[in-house]
Amino acid sequence: KNQVEQSPQSLIILEGKNCTLQCNYTVSPFSNLRWYKQDTGRGPVSLTIMTFSENTKSNGRYTATLDADTKQSSLHITASQLSDSASYICVVPPSGGYQKVTFGTGTKLQVIP
Amino acid sequence: DTGVSQNPRHKITKRGQNVTFRCDPISEHNRLYWYRQTLGQGPEFLTYFQNEAQLEKSRLLSDRFSAERPKGSFSTLEIQRTEQGDSAMYLCASSRTEDTQYFGPGTRLTVL
Repeated sequence: KNQVEQSPQSLIILEGKNCTLQCNYTVSPFSNLRWYKQDTGRGPVSLTIMTFSENTKSNGRYTATLDADTKQSSLHITASQLSDSASYICVVPPSGGYQKVTFGTGTKLQVIP
Repeated sequence: DTGVSQNPRHKITKRGQNVTFRCDPISEHNRLYWYRQTLGQGPEFLTYFQNEAQLEKSRLLSDRFSAERPKGSFSTLEIQRTEQGDSAMYLCASSRTEDTQYFGPGTRLTVL
């Protein structure tokens, strides 16, 4: 069964600190991996898309890494801000079509002052 | 703002009633997706359109659910004979070919 697992389920950090979120997947065949940020009560917003050949991709204070061999990805947030408080969802759509698109349950991040 | 819009934002209905949601994608996007999200879970794929053609449909989409995109622009999702288990956030997203999917704000459905 294709699965995406994210850890931790929730995280609280102080403003200004860094944090790393994890995503492990067993989806096969692999097309790409996407990280989304979802504020409470809103639709997800794309942060980054990583293809099989990419190891690292940055988007401002967000840096995603991908290890296709171990099927792991991480999202590193640098110098966190209060506005980073949200759920971060890892998505792994297989090349076989959206019928099987798998969203992780997300990591709920809370940044406190 | 030319992002994806959804209406209504909230809908409360009684069990057994029919409801219809609308999604207006970003104008140049030919792909449109519907997802359902329950509290604490990630979005679940429901269906996908390329232009006006409905190309994929999840097994989650029972015969009480129907989606249309008659002119390849806006889309509607109708749920007939709603059940309490249909209570969820219904998200719409659009994309240009295989590009990033841009999500709308969602329609939160509560079935009493």
